[in-house]
Amino acid sequence: GQQLNQSPQSMFIQEGEDVSMNCTSSSIFNTWLWYKQDPGEGPVLLIALYKAGELTSNGRLTAQFGITRKDSFLNISASIPSDVGIYFCAVQGAQKLVFGQGTRLTINP
Amino acid sequence: DSGVTQTPKHLITATGQRVTLRCSPRSGDLSVYWYQQSLDQGLQFLIQYYNGEERAKGNILERFSAQQFPDLHSELNLSSLELGDSALYFCASSEGQYGHEQFFGPGTRLTVL
Repeated sequence: GQQLNQSPQSMFIQEGEDVSMNCTSSSIFNTWLWYKQDPGEGPVLLIALYKAGELTSNGRLTAQFGITRKDSFLNISASIPSDVGIYFCAVQGAQKLVFGQGTRLTINP
Repeated sequence: DSGVTQTPKHLITATGQRVTLRCSPRSGDLSVYWYQQSLDQGLQFLIQYYNGEERAKGNILERFSAQQFPDLHSELNLSSLELGDSALYFCASSEGQYGHEQFFGPGTRLTVL
């Protein structure tokens, strides 16, 4: 089945540091999405990417849709405590979203 | 607040029992999706309904069923519950049937004892 490889699985950083995570697939996808899930809450859509090579920002977050359409990365600049959570990449598969396993971000103040 | 509501927030039940989880989509959204998230696991797609009709099926067990009503709210029925069914169950909604941008509810945490 369709599978996404998301890395790293977890990150432990200091407040103020920049963060980078990525997601790869063996298949081509035309839509890449990034979600964030806070503890005990549902995922929240951060950024949606629809065009290969597209670079999109949302505040301190920047995401890029890889030119091969097989990968995407998400960067967070100048991390703050509320950035803590699990970040999921997702792709539009056949009639459903397929999610990566998530990157758990922990921030030390 | 995504605009998607789910009830109940927590549910504790015993093995062999049957439960119903309820979801109301965002105003104007016609698609409802159900997902299961086990401890430290990613989101597993279960099933999608669009305007009352089943549209796509994922890894949904035969013991589970869902439906979407004329007012577009949806229910997920879980029967003959097993310990392994303990998980977070999320509902999401989108405007169209090919929901690239899905908006998630707060989830129902199911604990089977």
